[in-house]
Amino acid sequence: EAGVTQFPSHSVIEKGQTVTLRCDPISGHDNLYWYRRVMGKEIKFLLHFVKESKQDESGMPNNRFLAERTGGTYSTLKVQPAELEDSGVYFCASSLLWAGELFFGEGSRLTVL
Amino acid sequence: GQQVMQIPQYQHVQEGEDFTTYCNSSTTLSNIQWYKQRPGGHPVFLIQLVKSGEVKKQKRLTFQFGEAKKNSSLHITATQTTDVGTYFCAGSGSARQLTFGSGTQLTVLP
Repeated sequence: EAGVTQFPSHSVIEKGQTVTLRCDPISGHDNLYWYRRVMGKEIKFLLHFVKESKQDESGMPNNRFLAERTGGTYSTLKVQPAELEDSGVYFCASSLLWAGELFFGEGSRLTVL
Repeated sequence: GQQVMQIPQYQHVQEGEDFTTYCNSSTTLSNIQWYKQRPGGHPVFLIQLVKSGEVKKQKRLTFQFGEAKKNSSLHITATQTTDVGTYFCAGSGSARQLTFGSGTQLTVLP
C-alpha cells in the first residue's frame, strides 16, 4: 500500500514568487493535515481537511497561504507571494480517524531566498 | 490555546545508557501520541496512550501517561545507535487537533 506522497521534495524560490505543494494521502483516509516545521522547532499545525471540507484552518499563518483538497483526494498548499519566514519543511499527514495515528509524507522543504 | 512543552531539547548519551524525554501540556489531554523522526526523515508514529496512568512498553521503550492526563514520558533503556533521532509527543485535547511538542533530539555516541 502506498504511503503519503508529497511533491516537490525540495523547492527553492525567491521572495515574492509562488510555490504550490502537493500531497497525496493514503487511499481511504478522509483526514488530511498540513504541518510545518521551521528551523528544527516544533511541528506546527496548519490545517485539517475532512474529505474536501476544511475542518480547521486555525493554524494558517496568513492569507498568503491557500490550501485546497479537490474532490477529497489530493491536496495542494499554495504560498503566494512567498516570504523569507515561510522557509521550512511542510509535512502532509493523513489519518483514518480524526486525531488518530498520523501517517506523514516525506515532507516538502521550501527555501525562500 | 493548548500548549505542549517537551524537555530536554537535546540529549547526548553513551550507547547503553538510558534516556528519558518528558512532555507537559497546559490543558488536560484526551490522548497523547509519540512519534520518532530520524535525521532527514519524517515523523513516524510510535504509540498512542489514552487512559489516565497508562503505561505501555515496546521492547526497550516505555511510555507513560500521567494520572492527570497532562503529562507523559518516553523512556528508552540501554540506548542503541539506531535510537538516534528526534522524539515528539503530540497531545489532543478539547481542540481535537494534535499539538506537537518541540521534540527531543537524541544523539547516541558509540
